[in-house]
Amino acid sequence: DAGITQSPRHKVTETGTPVTLRCHQTENHRYMYWYRQDPGHGLRLIHYSYGVKDTDKGEVSDGYSVSRSKTEDFLLTLESATSSQTSVYFCAIGTGGGAFFGQGTRLTVV
Amino acid sequence: GNSVTQMEGPVTLSEEAFLTINCTYTATGYPSLFWYVQYPGEGLQLLLKATKADDKGSNKGFEATYRKETTSFHLEKGSVQVSDSAVYFCALSDSSSGGSNYKLTFGKGTLLTVNP
Repeated sequence: DAGITQSPRHKVTETGTPVTLRCHQTENHRYMYWYRQDPGHGLRLIHYSYGVKDTDKGEVSDGYSVSRSKTEDFLLTLESATSSQTSVYFCAIGTGGGAFFGQGTRLTVV
Repeated sequence: GNSVTQMEGPVTLSEEAFLTINCTYTATGYPSLFWYVQYPGEGLQLLLKATKADDKGSNKGFEATYRKETTSFHLEKGSVQVSDSAVYFCALSDSSSGGSNYKLTFGKGTLLTVNP
């Protein structure tokens, strides 16, 4: 158990509303990631962080922002949710031995 | 850029059958290679890994060998069980450019169903 907690686990929101997903780790790892999982696409990297206040974009970053004010917390914000952002979102921590994932957040935008 | 191509399936097997899921990759440097497994309703779990050419990763009866000459990392198991039913993802992490950020590039996943 890599000590990664995502919240909420499920959320339904309306188009145009802001949404924030939280990832909390207890392992003090430097690298953290947000991925989205969609049928036919596997997992795609949204944003990642390599330290407090140090973040960078992944391959599908449009419409998303992130923040990391503490080592243990990595927040993903959808500024104005759209139906195309309906997905399962996974947070992960990165190590040389591989990445370890949280349980995921299922987000539905209606 | 980096990419991973894996057999998309779905794959349906009978219990005790032999399993192969093909995975090939393209990378700019010298990647580490991984297989992840996702059981229904759960997150991804690291199944096995290999960090350099000719390394063999193994876990729970699954094996995969890092083949640099064919840029492949095929997953195999000699005798599958019903409990192996899951989605399997091949992935790579290429730290040769820009330092070790451990970002993963994933294949699209292969759904395996094992029938009794």
